[in-house]
Amino acid sequence: GAGVSQSPSNKVTEKGKDVELRCDPISGHTALYWYRQSLGQGLEFLIYFQGNSAPDKSGLPSDRFSAERTGGSVSTLTIQRTQQEDSAVYLCASSQSSADTQYFGPGTRLTVL
Amino acid sequence: DQQVKQNSPSLSVQEGRISILNCDYTNSMFDYFLWYKKYPAEGPTFLISISSIKDKNEDGRFTVFLNKSAKHLSLHIVPSQPGDSAVYFCAASGSRYGQNFVFGPGTRLSVLP
Repeated sequence: GAGVSQSPSNKVTEKGKDVELRCDPISGHTALYWYRQSLGQGLEFLIYFQGNSAPDKSGLPSDRFSAERTGGSVSTLTIQRTQQEDSAVYLCASSQSSADTQYFGPGTRLTVL
Repeated sequence: DQQVKQNSPSLSVQEGRISILNCDYTNSMFDYFLWYKKYPAEGPTFLISISSIKDKNEDGRFTVFLNKSAKHLSLHIVPSQPGDSAVYFCAASGSRYGQNFVFGPGTRLSVLP
């Protein structure tokens, strides 16, 4: 079956604009994660969804960041009023449960001008 | 302050020789560790894991060693192959069931033919 997919693959936006990044996890995976990788940095955890439980938002860097997961499947990460420091590769991962291996999507490269 | 460190940003190894990638961590609560490999324009892929009850885990050409007292782990690849050229990320968590993995900044491995 298909792996984790993300769209768009690249996004260039102007400072102050809102952006939405989409993640389609592997079918049947109950756990979904968002990370970001800034230039020269490791992967930074942002948010975690597990089934119908309330998401763990502890990694979101500011209230400009939010994420939803509709119907336990597709997830959207929204960044409002983007800033230049938001420029990074945003990676989504899913796993069958929180105890299982995470499978990553190819990422969305966000550039804020 | 980085909780997971990979102090070598890059490493070059001759094909057929051993590659040793190092990772150090500061949080003594970490007891589950993973290595991911990442090719350009792709998401990271899981490589191998180890929990604190073991000091070694082997999977084919890949072996991970854990020294809890030194808060150090290493990934050995032997023999190294050109296809192993990628960025390798070390990640740590408080348990296998923890969703809040902390990733290191990565080490870029180049295996020279």
